Amino acid sequence: LAKTTQPISMDSYEGQEVNITCSHNNIATNDYITWYQQFPSQGPRFIIQGYKTKVTNEVASLFIPADRKSSTLSLPRVSLSDTAVYYCLVGGQAGTALIFGKGTTLSVSS
Amino acid sequence: DARVTQTPRHKVTEMGQEVTMRCQPILGHNTVFWYRQTMMQGLELLAYFRNRAPLDDSGMPKDRFSAEMPDATLATLKIQPSEPRDSAVYFCASGLASGTLSSYEQYFGPGTRLTVT
Repeated sequence: LAKTTQPISMDSYEGQEVNITCSHNNIATNDYITWYQQFPSQGPRFIIQGYKTKVTNEVASLFIPADRKSSTLSLPRVSLSDTAVYYCLVGGQAGTALIFGKGTTLSVSS
Repeated sequence: DARVTQTPRHKVTEMGQEVTMRCQPILGHNTVFWYRQTMMQGLELLAYFRNRAPLDDSGMPKDRFSAEMPDATLATLKIQPSEPRDSAVYFCASGLASGTLSSYEQYFGPGTRLTVT
């Protein structure tokens, strides 16, 4: 059963790059890694998904090492509006549950 | 702009009452998920459906919770009887099957905030 571990919280300032790492030692061969963002009183919102190496979109980058036991979400030049909870999600094949981690609360200050 | 809708947005009820939450997935999505979120437990997957068939409801208390998809445009989550410990935000999400479950890009609704007194 794939379980994730993330830092509980992180602080940053506007304009900085933020890297949030998620550990998932028991990730299964066919599992993807997905990151979501959640603002207060809203449902989670998809940010990025990857299987291996590096994925980049207009919002973020996702780095996955060869052993896939961890992944790093990279947010370039954060702004105040990036203050949110970020979840790392893995798992789902063969009847295992989709497990959201506890999430990382990112606080961006000016 | 396609989005998942959920009703009601807020529900306050007394212990023992029946509660029904509804979800309209994005048109064309074939998978629907139900989650519950509390401060203590975080986001928990309760159940999910693919092509209207229940695939996994192991996260759901079977004695009081039930989930159905009467048709492709409606998913329901029912609690009977409700208890104070059921107080939480319930999210519905939909997605389009593309391989293993975790490769879905899930679109979440705004949630139903349930308070059971």
